[in-house]
Amino acid sequence: VQLQESGPGLVKPSETLSLTCNVSGGSINGYYWSWIRQPAGEGLEWIGRTYSSGSTNYNPSLKGRVTMSVDTSKNQFSLKLDSVTAADTAIYYCARDHAGDRSFEIWGQGTLVTVSS
Amino acid sequence: DIQMTQSPSSLSASVGDRVTITCRASQSISSFLNWYQKKPGKAPNLLISSVSGLVSGVPSRFSGSGSGTDFILTISSLQPEDFATYYCQQSYTTPRTFGPGTRVDFK
Repeated sequence: VQLQESGPGLVKPSETLSLTCNVSGGSINGYYWSWIRQPAGEGLEWIGRTYSSGSTNYNPSLKGRVTMSVDTSKNQFSLKLDSVTAADTAIYYCARDHAGDRSFEIWGQGTLVTVSS
Repeated sequence: DIQMTQSPSSLSASVGDRVTITCRASQSISSFLNWYQKKPGKAPNLLISSVSGLVSGVPSRFSGSGSGTDFILTISSLQPEDFATYYCQQSYTTPRTFGPGTRVDFK
């Protein structure tokens, strides 16, 4: 299984960041799929996760700005982050949650999103 | 949220050294503790899950131990490719949280 993030690398302040993660080599069904980010020089932050059925859990730290969705017909899932600021500039990773121990067992390569006017 | 701490924040070591990194959770997380290795420009790589479960393909010089709130990652004999940043992460509850990382660099 391989994951690949895609989306704009530059987003203006106050606009919406939108990313998609394409899952290849396996089915999206039956797993939780997470988004994780890392600002330059900082640690890793879990943004949230979506199950293949569409249920979601988000990190409260993002104060309701996050929406995740799944498109099983395309074998992909998506992230939207509203009202972005410079603090949202980071490398964004998608990852698959292990069904048992809930570790992040498979990761995409990551995509840099810069918030700037 | 469950807070994860790590010590040390960085360490300098030589090839062949035994390296120990400690991770502490702000409350019991049972055995839902995972370790990742991160190199610059690369995605994190899962090394150990559920405290001590070595991921397939990860060298046996990596090992994990602990329970409850206190956990340890050990590299028995540091190799050149092991110079990286190591993160612990709890998967006990949401939001999932990571430790701040321990950078291992060359002495």
